[in-house]
Amino acid sequence: AQKVTQAQTEISVVEKEDVTLDCVYETRDTTYYLFWYKQPPSGELVFLIRRNSFDEQNEISGRYSWNFQKSTSSFNFTITASQVVDSAVYFCALTRGGTYKYIFGTGTRLKVLA
Amino acid sequence: NAGVTQTPKFRVLKTGQSMTLLCAQDMNHEYMYWYRQDPGMGLRLIHYSVGEGTTAKGEVPDGYNVSRLKKQNFLLGLESAAPSQTSVYFCASTSPTSIGETQYFGPGTRLLVL
Repeated sequence: AQKVTQAQTEISVVEKEDVTLDCVYETRDTTYYLFWYKQPPSGELVFLIRRNSFDEQNEISGRYSWNFQKSTSSFNFTITASQVVDSAVYFCALTRGGTYKYIFGTGTRLKVLA
Repeated sequence: NAGVTQTPKFRVLKTGQSMTLLCAQDMNHEYMYWYRQDPGMGLRLIHYSVGEGTTAKGEVPDGYNVSRLKKQNFLLGLESAAPSQTSVYFCASTSPTSIGETQYFGPGTRLLVL
């Protein structure tokens, strides 16, 4: 069975602090895909990144970075120098090759205080 | 290119009333999904469709029906609304042309059942 766990329900940080959102996944498949989505207070879901199971390279996009480690089944998301606009709920998701279903974690609410 | 749109944006129903939520996408995607989002539960799959004329049950299908008569539209019906169906409903679509493709989400429909 597939499962995505986001153990951090809510995190509060002060602006300019770095923050890491954890995502741990379970799957028996060798081919799978991991995603992060952002849901700002306005409610829409915004795609941030996709990673396939064969690419363990970390990725950096501006203040955002992602650390994918198959050895620990984790796909963590770090925001460097957080800003108030980063306040949102962040979801991690998983799908496996050849299936139509996506499994979402329960989300982590990030509050960045000015 | 509007992407994924949902109608209505907000609705209040009384227990026992029926309604239909409409999802439309203009990206020629084969796959379409309906999710519900509840506090602390993340996104849970209600029903999905892998093509025109086909539908399948997701994780929480009870109390809902769906139809995919046209490729671009995916309808979610509540025959007899219950307070437990108070939620935010998201529609999503994706294409099978690229394995592990990200989903594109609509803006959501907030439903309150009294």
